[in-house]
Amino acid sequence: DGGITQSPKYLFRKEGQNVTLSCEQNLNHDAMYWYRQDPGQGLRLIYYSQIVNDFQKGDIAEGYSVSREKKESFPLTVTSAQKNPTAFYLCASSIWENTGELFFGEGSRLTVL
Amino acid sequence: GENVEQHPSTLSVQEGDSAVIKCTYSDSASNYFPWYKQELGKRPQLIIDIRSNVGEKKDQRIAVTLNKTAKHFSLHITETQPEDSAVYFCAASNSGPGNTGKLIFGQGTTLQVKP
Repeated sequence: DGGITQSPKYLFRKEGQNVTLSCEQNLNHDAMYWYRQDPGQGLRLIYYSQIVNDFQKGDIAEGYSVSREKKESFPLTVTSAQKNPTAFYLCASSIWENTGELFFGEGSRLTVL
Repeated sequence: GENVEQHPSTLSVQEGDSAVIKCTYSDSASNYFPWYKQELGKRPQLIIDIRSNVGEKKDQRIAVTLNKTAKHFSLHITETQPEDSAVYFCAASNSGPGNTGKLIFGQGTTLQVKP
């Protein structure tokens, strides 16, 4: 069954701790993206990657880091430098040279205690 | 950087009425304009999209119009049903070979269809 899998679905973190959100896709898509969703602010781009071993900052990259060692995987680390990390995080993928349509995972909700 | 503004932020209609959501974009090079629907607790899903070489596209009760001169596009839902209740996001990108293709989203519109 093709798609994008995010884990964990819910995550709690203490202040000062780093946390990594997993995103795996078996759609053979080239591009992968991380978005942050906050009420009333839409989806804001954190990082994106068009090919393996390459990624670019989005609009709100500060306090986040990513890696793209494999085509199917694009994990996001929320570091202690992120001042307001409590949010809903969405991973997505696309065939970037084609339609531009994004396929989203089900999201990970991070709460900082 | 590119910006997409979406209005209204909330919209309440009676079942059977029409709903219209409007978006404006800042980057004149944008050529791809999708609309996503996100039901409560679920992932956003593409419902319709339009490219810059056409002015209107329709799919059953849903239509999207594009005015490139004014840099705005709109989503029209006719004969609304309770299952249309969701958050709708517009987006814009400069899509195609050699471009980043990254989507910039609007702030979202919460549509409530009252039975």
